[in-house]
Amino acid sequence: DAGVTQSPTHLIKTRGQQVTLRCSPKSGHDTVSWYQQALGQGPQFIFQYYEEEERQRGNFPDRFSGHQFPNYSSELNVNALLLGDSALYLCASSRDGGYTFGSGTRLTVV
Amino acid sequence: SQKIEQNSEALNIQEGKTATLTCNYTNYSPAYLQWYRQDPGRGPVFLLLIRENEKEKRKERLKVTFDTTLKQSLFHITASQPADSATYLCALGTTGYSTLTFGKGTMLLVSP
Repeated sequence: DAGVTQSPTHLIKTRGQQVTLRCSPKSGHDTVSWYQQALGQGPQFIFQYYEEEERQRGNFPDRFSGHQFPNYSSELNVNALLLGDSALYLCASSRDGGYTFGSGTRLTVV
Repeated sequence: SQKIEQNSEALNIQEGKTATLTCNYTNYSPAYLQWYRQDPGRGPVFLLLIRENEKEKRKERLKVTFDTTLKQSLFHITASQPADSATYLCALGTTGYSTLTFGKGTMLLVSP
């Protein structure tokens, strides 16, 4: 049974560009959450998707947007990238509250 | 504002000893608390969950306590091994949609 898979694993982008990260949840999980983890920090909640709708959002600007598809997979989009957006982006899927995290996408903005 | 504090300095212990990690929180009323292990460049891996009405939880060599009066959780690894070396994160959750608020984590180094 595959866990949470994220792609790509690493990405380098230039300031001002846009990026899309992808997540396939664990089988049977219907809720996807995205977290940003800067170096030396704990993960910070970006938003959560359930039934293709954004259900809850953390303290992140509108440059961060997402989508959930009917098969529960999800995308995270970040527009107008800033140097400060460099981080490990984690996707976590859950059902009834139990979380499984993916290995993350390491985004570097130069 | 809500705050979760974990030991900022790395914890160095010798193999076979018990490691104890602390998680303190303020301005928060969690319904449950979780502990995760994270290896460099990897996502967090769930270890244990303890609910607000539980005092202690055990799983193999792991033990978690939760004191809602002190607003503190302690995470113990008994008979520690070098393979236990990692960063350990505590995360608090409330009822409802169950999003998690994480601490910064504590790095544990177990030397042979």
